Amino acid sequence: EDKVVQSPLSLVVHEGDTVTLNCSYEVTNFRSLLWYKQEKKAPTFLFMLTSSGIEKKSGRLSSILDKKELFSILNITATQTGDSAVYLCAVEGSGWTGNQFYFGTGTSLTVIP
Amino acid sequence: DAEITQSPRHKITETGRQVTLACHQTWNHNNMFWYRQDLGHGLRLIHYSYGVHDTNKGEVSDGYSVSRSNTEDLPLTLESAASSQTSVYFCASSVGGTSGYEQYFGPGTRLTVT
Repeated sequence: EDKVVQSPLSLVVHEGDTVTLNCSYEVTNFRSLLWYKQEKKAPTFLFMLTSSGIEKKSGRLSSILDKKELFSILNITATQTGDSAVYLCAVEGSGWTGNQFYFGTGTSLTVIP
Repeated sequence: DAEITQSPRHKITETGRQVTLACHQTWNHNNMFWYRQDLGHGLRLIHYSYGVHDTNKGEVSDGYSVSRSNTEDLPLTLESAASSQTSVYFCASSVGGTSGYEQYFGPGTRLTVT
């Protein structure tokens, strides 16, 4: 069964801390892994990863994929209260019916001032 | 600016009624998707479309249907609403083509089935 598992489920940190969010997956015919940030509304895109070992970076956020060990991490350095959100990991796989996207349940991050 | 909109934003309906949720995008994207989001389950794919007249079932398609008559719209129909279909529904679109493309999400529709 295809699945995406995120850990931890929730995290509370202080401003300035560095956090690492994890995403492991078992998805048939992997095509890509995506990270989204969801505040009290629709998810917004952060990163898309398709190749192992290549870090994607955007400001204080970075992410890397390991296709051998089937996981990805999302790092946030110098956290700010505006980083408080649910972070979603999604994996695209291809099957006989076409491409499917599988989402994890998310990691809820709370940053305390 | 291009956008993706959903309507209604909130809907309360009774068990057994037919309900249609609208999704409209002005990105001119080929791919459109419907998800539901429930506590403990994250986002789950209901149906998706890779272009006009193309529709495909996702992970949780039972009790739902879609049709794609033009590029901009992918309405989601609940044939006979059930309380288990109480959820937040998100529509998304992406440019299409080969894999590895980001999805843009609409604001969501909160559906309550009583």
